Amino acid sequence: SYVLNQPPSVSVAPGKTATITCGGNNIGSKSVHWYQQKPGQAPVLVIFYDNDRPSGIPERFSGSNSGNTATLTISRVEAGDEADFYCQVWDTSGYYVFGPGTKVTVL
Amino acid sequence: EAHLVESGGGLMHPGGSLRLSCVVSGLPVRINYMAWVRQAPGKGLECVSVIYADGGTSYTDSVKGRFSISRDTSRNTVYLQMDSLRVDDTGVYYCARIAGGGNSSPFDYWGQGTLVNVS
Repeated sequence: SYVLNQPPSVSVAPGKTATITCGGNNIGSKSVHWYQQKPGQAPVLVIFYDNDRPSGIPERFSGSNSGNTATLTISRVEAGDEADFYCQVWDTSGYYVFGPGTKVTVL
Repeated sequence: EAHLVESGGGLMHPGGSLRLSCVVSGLPVRINYMAWVRQAPGKGLECVSVIYADGGTSYTDSVKGRFSISRDTSRNTVYLQMDSLRVDDTGVYYCARIAGGGNSSPFDYWGQGTLVNVS
């Protein structure tokens, strides 16, 4: 089955840039989606098809995907960005696959 | 704007059964891919089951033969029948829509979740 890897945690100071990676075998050939989940809430789609933003998601959120790594970048981080972030792909061998999640802490 | 509202969760003993419901407004379930995604306490997200626009279904390996997804287009509702429940089925179960009707599409609308506790 297909496996995605994410760092368990990322810490960032307000106003700085947070970078969250999502590793997978040849993930650059797949469409990657990213979700933000705050405590006690349902996940929210923040990036889809590698680098598209749903309406209402700030331009500070961006994504990229190449080779074996997809990346979610949050620029000018705010306290309200603190959450768990999950990457997700679809793979014929692994069904709909989510990464293990990265907890973003704003210092 | 679509709204998805789950219900039916609760406390069950191992081996028991539950039926979860997801009432959907703002989008017709009959032409959409609809999914159930669960989250064990303190853990990540796992797609459990999907019902496709053509009525076909799929399941993650750990629930095959125990869970069954269905829909009632007249009620615009999606169900998840959960039988032979196990302790590791415990978690919050979310109903979600897979956008665009394709497997590579994102989960764009989510409900608030319903808690299933098997103990």
